[in-house]
Amino acid sequence: NAGVMQNPRHLVRRRGQEARLRCSPVKGHSHVYWYRQLPEEGLKFMVYLQKENIIDESGMPKERFSAEFPKEGPSILRIQQVVRGDSAAYFCASSQRGTQNTGELFFGEGSRLTVL
Amino acid sequence: DQQVKQNSPSLSVQEGRISILNCDYTNSMFDYFLWYKKYPAEGPTFLISISSIKDKNEDGRFTVFLNKSAKHLSLHIVPSQPGDSAVYFCAASLSGGSNYKLTFGKGTLLTVNP
Repeated sequence: NAGVMQNPRHLVRRRGQEARLRCSPVKGHSHVYWYRQLPEEGLKFMVYLQKENIIDESGMPKERFSAEFPKEGPSILRIQQVVRGDSAAYFCASSQRGTQNTGELFFGEGSRLTVL
Repeated sequence: DQQVKQNSPSLSVQEGRISILNCDYTNSMFDYFLWYKKYPAEGPTFLISISSIKDKNEDGRFTVFLNKSAKHLSLHIVPSQPGDSAVYFCAASLSGGSNYKLTFGKGTLLTVNP
């Protein structure tokens, strides 16, 4: 499967714990995006990363959330001290070109976070 | 503030008939529009797009129409097939370097009955 790979598919955490979501982009894609879908809502942009750089984090909550895309390995979305409102599906997407692309992103299957 | 609105949460049509999914937007700066399809437990997949310089784009059974003056777009699927049953998301973006930042509607669940 050469698509965007996300893991875990399902993650359950208690309030106050940390959640780490991983994303491996399509082979050859160096641009990664994270989107969040809250219940009954559309997907909302969180962050755009290239290798070792955060390009746009305007959609990230100011506290507790961070993202990275290291030189080697997957992109990671980290949520510290999770709260019930963080329960959502987190989708990773990738593209071959960055800001020149037309919004045609390749999405992974998502990671569903449930906070008890 | 919901900048992209899909006012019909669900739509049911018979196989072979036309499906029309609607989408409205409020931000007149949006200049690129996309439709994504999503099956349960899968990620959204790109279906079709249209630039604001056009009013129609066709790809096989799928056609997207854009009415800029009304800030409205629609997706037509004809003929509809049971495999088209999915959630359809309308999305919009701004050009000028931030077109990766898609603004999505809440989606419309299409059910095509055999």
